[in-house]
Amino acid sequence: SSELTQDPAVSVALGQTVRITCQGDSLRSYSASWYQQKPGQAPLLVIYDKNNRPSGIPDRFSGSSSGNTASLTITGAQAEDEADYYCNSRDSSGDHVLFGGGTKLTVL
Amino acid sequence: EVQLVESGGGLVQPGGSLRLSCVVSGITFSGYWMHWVRQAPGKGLLWVSRINIDGARTDYADSVKGRFTISRDNAKNTLYLQMNSLRAEDTAVYFCAGALAYCGGDCYSFDHWGQGTLVTVSS
Repeated sequence: SSELTQDPAVSVALGQTVRITCQGDSLRSYSASWYQQKPGQAPLLVIYDKNNRPSGIPDRFSGSSSGNTASLTITGAQAEDEADYYCNSRDSSGDHVLFGGGTKLTVL
Repeated sequence: EVQLVESGGGLVQPGGSLRLSCVVSGITFSGYWMHWVRQAPGKGLLWVSRINIDGARTDYADSVKGRFTISRDNAKNTLYLQMNSLRAEDTAVYFCAGALAYCGGDCYSFDHWGQGTLVTVSS
């Protein structure tokens, strides 16, 4: 498969937990990374290699994976977490990089 | 501090050409694969191309293959994207990106991004 599928929009109440998912056949072979993007900014890596956080990323961000689905979980969402979130991985051939279509997270 | 700075964007007519540059500082540029990623206005991220450390290996998204060429000059710490036969659908912000800190080789966890350069294809 050459696609990674994300829900277009998700909302969460302030302080609650939200899960953003990414589905694709290639995720059975390759791990996902996750990016946060705010308007007018470059994407920011928040999770790499399934469940590793880069330096400076709060520990409320975590990743997981099962079968063809990768998930980004934000435990205790904050107002500043409102952003677009993208997953990425390889395609099934391994030669191309894929991005999911993105999920717009609204913090209520 | 690692910095990626793109340049070369602008307005171009359909069928025209443009060359983007990305100057990388703060790391040993020649040790890393590099990528171009684009984002059309109001749309999501789309991977465009990648190049290995010495330029011998390149890969392209189907939508640009045969029209775009990625290259690098390790002596100048610079990544390039030559874009030919441009179409309206190529209109986007183009980012250079690299997996420079957390994984090596052919890795797709892009921990460093440039600020992007806008390419507009219109008559």
